[in-house]
Amino acid sequence: DVKVTQSSRYLVKRTGEKVFLECVQDMDHENMFWYRQDPGLGLRLIYFSYDVKMKEKGDIPEGYSVSREKKERFSLILESASTNQTSMYLCASSLAQGFTGELFFGEGSRLTVL
Amino acid sequence: TQLLEQSPQFLSIQEGENLTVYCNSSSVFSSLQWYRQEPGEGPVLLVTVVTGGEVKKLKRLTFQFGDARKDSSLHITAAQPGDTGLYLCAGSRNSGNTPLVFGKGTRLSVIA
Repeated sequence: DVKVTQSSRYLVKRTGEKVFLECVQDMDHENMFWYRQDPGLGLRLIYFSYDVKMKEKGDIPEGYSVSREKKERFSLILESASTNQTSMYLCASSLAQGFTGELFFGEGSRLTVL
Repeated sequence: TQLLEQSPQFLSIQEGENLTVYCNSSSVFSSLQWYRQEPGEGPVLLVTVVTGGEVKKLKRLTFQFGDARKDSSLHITAAQPGDTGLYLCAGSRNSGNTPLVFGKGTRLSVIA
């Protein structure tokens, strides 16, 4: 079974702190994605990557950056956390069929910024 | 602008009832996926529909892709409490050269 593992299920951070969310997949998928999920807003794409060291902005990249140094790992970075970044963050991966393939999601990281 | 509109947003029904949720757009999609997300978990793919007019069945769930590939529906027959969750549709545009776009979801609660 494909497994996408997110490093932290729950985090509490203070405004201005730097936050790292880690995601690892074990099925050699080319594509990886970071979404945030908020009530009433659905899943919104933050960043995605289709290859090592490649990254593309999604719909809401402001305030975030990403790193993909190895194929299996895709990190989301909040340089200076703000309260409006309190959310559920979901990582996903897929095979490189363009972007039509099934997305495999992690269990999510719920971030609270105080 | 929300490319995929899902309705209803919330649905609470009794065990054994039938229901339909909708996913509509003014855009054409090359394929459309349905996911279910249970509390505390990430979404899991239920089905992918590719051809206009296509109907797929997954036990008590029936998925249909509109003829013009702009809309889709999910029908559940004799709902069970285990069907409770958030149902998300996601569409692929530009022949799959851009990431999926998601609807906001339909939150279903099936009461025993």
